[in-house]
Amino acid sequence: AQTVTQSQPEMSVQEAETVTLSCTYDTSESDYYLFWYKQPPSRQMILVIRQEAYKQQNATENRFSVNFQKAAKSFSLKISDSQLGDAAMYFCAYRAHFGNEKLTFGTGTRLTIIP
Amino acid sequence: ETGVTQTPRHLVMGMTNKKSLKCEQHLGHNAMYWYKQSAKKPLELMFVYNFKEQTENNSVPSRFSPECPNSSHLFLHLHTLQPEDSALYLCASSPAAGIPFFGQGTRLTVV
Repeated sequence: AQTVTQSQPEMSVQEAETVTLSCTYDTSESDYYLFWYKQPPSRQMILVIRQEAYKQQNATENRFSVNFQKAAKSFSLKISDSQLGDAAMYFCAYRAHFGNEKLTFGTGTRLTIIP
Repeated sequence: ETGVTQTPRHLVMGMTNKKSLKCEQHLGHNAMYWYKQSAKKPLELMFVYNFKEQTENNSVPSRFSPECPNSSHLFLHLHTLQPEDSALYLCASSPAAGIPFFGQGTRLTVV
């Protein structure tokens, strides 16, 4: 069974600085997707970024980028130039590529932005 | 506007009550999901519907009863719940095998 582990329950960062959130996963599949979702106090889960396992290039979305290490089964999220609006719970998630809509989530990391 | 709307946002119910959670999406998606989010636990997938047909029931107790009358609407009927069922219930929708978009959830408290 696939598992997703986020070992940092809480992180904090000064506004305008850079922070990295960690995620590791376990799977026997070779093709899959990885996601980072953000959950602000409004409670809606918002997709931040996604990575397809067959792509070697790390995904980027503006200030958000990932470090995808397939052999190590590691998928960290880097947030550059942190802003107050980045404060939220961040969830790492895994989904197999074929024939399976199920997302497996980690337990989340609460990110606090210090003004 | 999220595209996936859940009502109510908050619900308090007694253990003998019957209530329903509603989810509506206007994104043209074919798949809809119910997830349960409890404190300090990963989100748990409860049910998946594809083209109105249930394709996954993740060993959910029968006191939770889903209904999908069409691909735009999803309900979760609740009866004789337990206090440990208190949680945030999230609905999501996606294109077939696509990326899920989530609603804002219903915060359920069972007293």
